[in-house]
Amino acid sequence: EPEVTQTPSHQVTQMGQEVILRCVPISNHLYFYWYRQILGQKVEFLVSFYNNEISEKSEIFDDQFSVERPDGSNFTLKIRSTKLEDSAMYFCASRLDSPLHFGNGTRLTVT
Amino acid sequence: AQSVAQPEDQVNVAEGNPLTVKCTYSVSGNPYLFWYVQYPNRGLQFLLKYITGDNLVKGSYGFEAEFNKSQTSFHLKKPSALVSDSALYFCAVRDIKKLSFGAGTTVTVRA
Repeated sequence: EPEVTQTPSHQVTQMGQEVILRCVPISNHLYFYWYRQILGQKVEFLVSFYNNEISEKSEIFDDQFSVERPDGSNFTLKIRSTKLEDSAMYFCASRLDSPLHFGNGTRLTVT
Repeated sequence: AQSVAQPEDQVNVAEGNPLTVKCTYSVSGNPYLFWYVQYPNRGLQFLLKYITGDNLVKGSYGFEAEFNKSQTSFHLKKPSALVSDSALYFCAVRDIKKLSFGAGTTVTVRA
């Protein structure tokens, strides 16, 4: 069964550094998402992406965040200048219709 | 705005006993409701969904959920819990552009 894959599984970065989290959604899916989860708590919506543009974003998704689908297979989340509070699990998801299919996440640790 | 609430942070049951994880929803219009499960250090796995049709929805791993419009509830149930069902369970509601999750319920099934 096709899966959403995310790399790396764990990323450690210093505060103020840029980080790019990578995702390969399921190939025929059209809608793409990023969510984050802090310490096994609530899963928070960051952004949704459809037809090569952002369709909705949350208040968390400020100017420090950006998303790209550079080549028709990858879907990336960039954080320009990381803060300590950006430490979380970041999940990529995709769907064709429903439901959303999630990757196993990237654990981002900002030191 | 669409939202779901999970009133219990934790549910503890003995193996072989029935398991219920509660969820209530608040939506305008017809609800699209989902249950996901998360095992430690993993992504969210889809269990089942309600879009329309029968109020009793059957899903993966022997789980089912009952949609109750008058009580605005969508409780997850399993007739006989297994130790391997111990995990974090999320109820979710979908609007046009995103999936919104409840706070999650940690289920512990003791042998």
